[in-house]
Amino acid sequence: TQTVSQSDAHVTVFEGDSVELRCNYSYGGSIYLSWYIQHHGHGLQFLLKYYSGNPVVQGVNGFEAEFSKSDSSFHLRKASVHWSDSAVYFCAVSARYNQGKLIFGQGTKLSIKP
Amino acid sequence: GPKVLQIPSHQIIDMGQMVTLNCDPVSNHLYFYWYKQILGQQMEFLVNFYNGKVMEKSKLFKDQFSVERPDGSYFTLKIQPTALEDSAVYFCASSWKGSQNTLYFGAGTRLSVL
Repeated sequence: TQTVSQSDAHVTVFEGDSVELRCNYSYGGSIYLSWYIQHHGHGLQFLLKYYSGNPVVQGVNGFEAEFSKSDSSFHLRKASVHWSDSAVYFCAVSARYNQGKLIFGQGTKLSIKP
Repeated sequence: GPKVLQIPSHQIIDMGQMVTLNCDPVSNHLYFYWYKQILGQQMEFLVNFYNGKVMEKSKLFKDQFSVERPDGSYFTLKIQPTALEDSAVYFCASSWKGSQNTLYFGAGTRLSVL
């Protein structure tokens, strides 16, 4: 059974701070890991994904994520957040044989204080 | 960027009636999906659709649910008859053949079954 766990339901930081949003997964097999962002009232937007190779992947707007097989993790990071980064962030896993069937985590709401 | 449009944004319906949720996917995409999110819970995969056929459906995709995309028009999710537990936000998504695991999502249709 594939599972995705985002341990923090809500994270609050100040503008300009760095942030890390945590994601742990459970799955045996070849998988894709991805992050999506959802601004209020909008659909999910793709941020980045990992399948193989360099465990640190770069995404849009300065986001990056690091895959760790030993920790079964795919944490999302940004060095300096902007107020526009306020949104809900979803981690997702999909199997190589069924790439569009995403298993999502519960989401982490990121709030940015001015 | 490419957009997936969902119509309507909110639908209120009496239990037992039929409802059709409409999705206008990205124009050159070939894979289509419906996901369901009950308030406060994770987004869950319902079904994926390719080449006029359902590829896979989850246990949430009850017998009362059906999907189609007649002649390249809207990709629709029909529920007949509706039940109270069908109240949720339904997200449509699409992806293209070269990158199945990069999904483009609509903003969702909030379905309220009374």
